[in-house]
Amino acid sequence: DAGVIQSPRHEVTEMGQEVTLRCKPISGHNSLFWYRQTMMRGLELLIYFNNNVPIDDSGMPEDRFSAKMPNASFSTLKIQPSEPRDSAVYFCASSDRDGSYEQYFGPGTRLTVT
Amino acid sequence: EDKVVQSPLSLVVHEGDTVTLNCSYEVTNFRSLLWYKQEKKAPTFLFMLTSSGIEKKSGRLSSILDKKELFSILNITATQTGDSAIYLCAVVKAVSEKLVFGKGTKLTVNP
Repeated sequence: DAGVIQSPRHEVTEMGQEVTLRCKPISGHNSLFWYRQTMMRGLELLIYFNNNVPIDDSGMPEDRFSAKMPNASFSTLKIQPSEPRDSAVYFCASSDRDGSYEQYFGPGTRLTVT
Repeated sequence: EDKVVQSPLSLVVHEGDTVTLNCSYEVTNFRSLLWYKQEKKAPTFLFMLTSSGIEKKSGRLSSILDKKELFSILNITATQTGDSAIYLCAVVKAVSEKLVFGKGTKLTVNP
């Protein structure tokens, strides 16, 4: 199994630009989670999907952030417009809701907004 | 508000030492508690604890949960430099399966 796949691994962009992060969950997993990690705040849950449906987006910081899951094997997290304070590592994780609830994390996308 | 607190925030030990990492929580609708190890990349799963008093063990690592006092500990015996990492504790909420993470304990094991 390839595990959770995220792209890009690194993204450097200028303030005001649109950023799109991508995630492919583990095949057969029916829950997908987007997290943001910073030194100050640790790991924060942004949004999660179950069977492609957004269940809880209360962690999304503001309207500049949006996430979609058009099918079971793909999700995107978009930031428009980006700001320097969005700089962080963004992780995607997936789990089998009917299984152990253990979440498997992707390698993360390190985003730097200048 | 749900809260997971880990202590200490950081710890520096010598190879061969034994360490105990702490995790306390105040979370509604508790289902289980997970421990993760994070080196340079993504967190990797160590243990899942659901029942009080039952120790989970994997090599030199072990963990136990106390659901009455709302805490868990992670023990590492005979530490090695490869144990250097951030150790994250997370509580799984029932129904929603959301994970609430602590800020982690940064462990440094010096040779």
